[in-house]
Amino acid sequence: DVKVTQSSRYLVKRTGEKVFLECVQDMDHENMFWYRQDPGLGLRLIYFSYDVKMKEKGDIPEGYSVSREKKERFSLILESASTNQTSMYLCASSLSPGTNYGYTFGSGTRLTVV
Amino acid sequence: SQQGEEDPQALSIQEGENATMNCSYKTSINNLQWYRQNSGRGLVHLILIRSNEREKHSGRLRVTLDTSKKSSSLLITASRAADTASYFCATDRRSGNTPLVFGKGTRLSVIA
Repeated sequence: DVKVTQSSRYLVKRTGEKVFLECVQDMDHENMFWYRQDPGLGLRLIYFSYDVKMKEKGDIPEGYSVSREKKERFSLILESASTNQTSMYLCASSLSPGTNYGYTFGSGTRLTVV
Repeated sequence: SQQGEEDPQALSIQEGENATMNCSYKTSINNLQWYRQNSGRGLVHLILIRSNEREKHSGRLRVTLDTSKKSSSLLITASRAADTASYFCATDRRSGNTPLVFGKGTRLSVIA
């Protein structure tokens, strides 16, 4: 069964820590995405990547960076975690450029910054 | 940025009834997609309808698209308690290679 795997379901970090959220897909998908989901705000795009070593900013990239050294892995980095980054983080991948195919999502990482 | 907006925000129905959720968007699209999210989990892709299609079926799901009104609807027939979830529409932003933009979702509760 093809899937997107996020390394942690729940994570608690302290303010100021550097946080790594890992996402791995086994479908040989070109495209990978990071969204965050907050009550009342829906899903918001943080960063995305259409190829290895390529990255593009989404709507809310401030305070985040990403790394894509291998096709199957897309990491989200919180350089210095803050309480307003407490959220559900969702990783997704898709087969081709554009939106002609659906996205496959991971189960999400619920991050709490204290 | 362009965003689909679902309506209603929340819907509560009895098992066996039909559930209809609507989505409106602002600008031209290539296609529109619907996703489902069970509480605290990731989203699952349900169905994709292209801009040149008007209706699409998948099992108990029926999706319609009216590009003149920039709106879509998702109908779930003969609902079950297991259909309880949040449902999201998603659109691309414009022609070309851009990520999906998601609405805020409709929370569906199916009461047994």
